[in-house]
Amino acid sequence: GENVEQHPSTLSVQEGDSAVIKCTYSDSASNYFPWYKQELGKGPQLIIDIRSNVGEKKDQRIAVTLNKTAKHFSLHITETQPEDSAVYFCAASLGGYQKVTFGTGTKLQVIP
Amino acid sequence: NAGVTQTPKFRVLKTGQSMTLLCAQDMNHEYMYWYRQDPGMGLRLIHYSVGEGTTAKGEVPDGYNVSRLKKQNFLLGLESAAPSQTSVYFCASSYSTSGGNKVWQETQYFGPGTRLLVL
Repeated sequence: GENVEQHPSTLSVQEGDSAVIKCTYSDSASNYFPWYKQELGKGPQLIIDIRSNVGEKKDQRIAVTLNKTAKHFSLHITETQPEDSAVYFCAASLGGYQKVTFGTGTKLQVIP
Repeated sequence: NAGVTQTPKFRVLKTGQSMTLLCAQDMNHEYMYWYRQDPGMGLRLIHYSVGEGTTAKGEVPDGYNVSRLKKQNFLLGLESAAPSQTSVYFCASSYSTSGGNKVWQETQYFGPGTRLLVL
């Protein structure tokens, strides 16, 4: 089955700096790669996703890049703010009803 | 729309007791999932359903059963609770779309979670 590895497990940045979280996946047939943000005591919420037919997607301060050859995708957050502090999960899916496999999460702390 | 709701929010069980967690969604989604979240382990899929009346095992199904009698509801049962089942349980729902000869997975919407403590 699919295996998703996520790094780093914790990340501290100063407010205003950029944060990068990296994930690798094992199944080259995976075609959907969502990123979720989980705040304390809440369920994960989608913040951005990318499909295998594009290499990059951006939404304001958040961007995701996908390298299908290397089976690698990354989340980039620019101009970080204290409210960005949360746990971030990457995931990969084969599409359709196929289950989504999650990474183990990155705890991001933005220091004011 | 309430989205995905979970009942109860918190529960304490004694070893050997049984209980059912209820998940409900009002988005008419075909697919529903149950995950457990443990520190350092991320989200692990317990069971999932691709439609009313169908269920399938995920990566950690042992000790759990599920039922999807109605499209909007997905029940997770613990027949004989064990301390190893202490966790936070999340339900999610989603749908898929087709395009370019592919079937695309769409966003999974998560509920707020149920915190379960088994003593």
